[in-house]
Amino acid sequence: AQSVAQPEDQVNVAEGNPLTVKCTYSVSGNPYLFWYVQYPNRGLQFLLKYITGDNLVKGSYGFEAEFNKSQTSFHLKKPSALVSDSALYFCAVRANTNAGKSTFGDGTTLTVKP
Amino acid sequence: DGGITQSPKYLFRKEGQNVTLSCEQNLNHDAMYWYRQDPGQGLRLIYYSQIVNDFQKGDIAEGYSVSREKKESFPLTVTSAQKNPTAFYLCASSISRAAMNTEAFFGQGTRLTVV
Repeated sequence: AQSVAQPEDQVNVAEGNPLTVKCTYSVSGNPYLFWYVQYPNRGLQFLLKYITGDNLVKGSYGFEAEFNKSQTSFHLKKPSALVSDSALYFCAVRANTNAGKSTFGDGTTLTVKP
Repeated sequence: DGGITQSPKYLFRKEGQNVTLSCEQNLNHDAMYWYRQDPGQGLRLIYYSQIVNDFQKGDIAEGYSVSREKKESFPLTVTSAQKNPTAFYLCASSISRAAMNTEAFFGQGTRLTVV
């Protein structure tokens, strides 16, 4: 069975500081990894994905994520946080060995303080 | 604008009543999904459809039903058999379920409350 763990329910950072939101996964076969962001009472918006190739993936709004196969991790990062980055972030995994089913983590609430 | 439209945004259901949540997409996507979101539990898959006139149960299908008569539409009915229906419901679509490297597009959600 595939799974996703987001070990931190809440991450707090000061505006201008770097941020990291952690994600680890377990899957059979090659993973496809995704990050989504959700603002209050809204749907999820796609940020970035890892399919293959370069382990550092760049996405929307200055976010990036690093795929680490040996640590089975896909942490989301941003060099300089903005107050407007405050939201709920979800990591998701799909694998071609599970009929394309996506599994989402429980989400991490990011709060950026001025 | 292309996208997914869910309606209504807020819905109130009385005990023992069936309600239907609407989901329409104009992205020409084959695959559509319904998720339930509860606080601290992430997204759980209710039903999905890979093509018109076909749909499959997800992880928590009991008490729900769907139809896929048109490519653009994937309505979800929350039946009286669903004992705890209060939640935020999200509809999503993707190009196809087989294209596993493609991201999903989500609607804005419907918040269902039992009164």
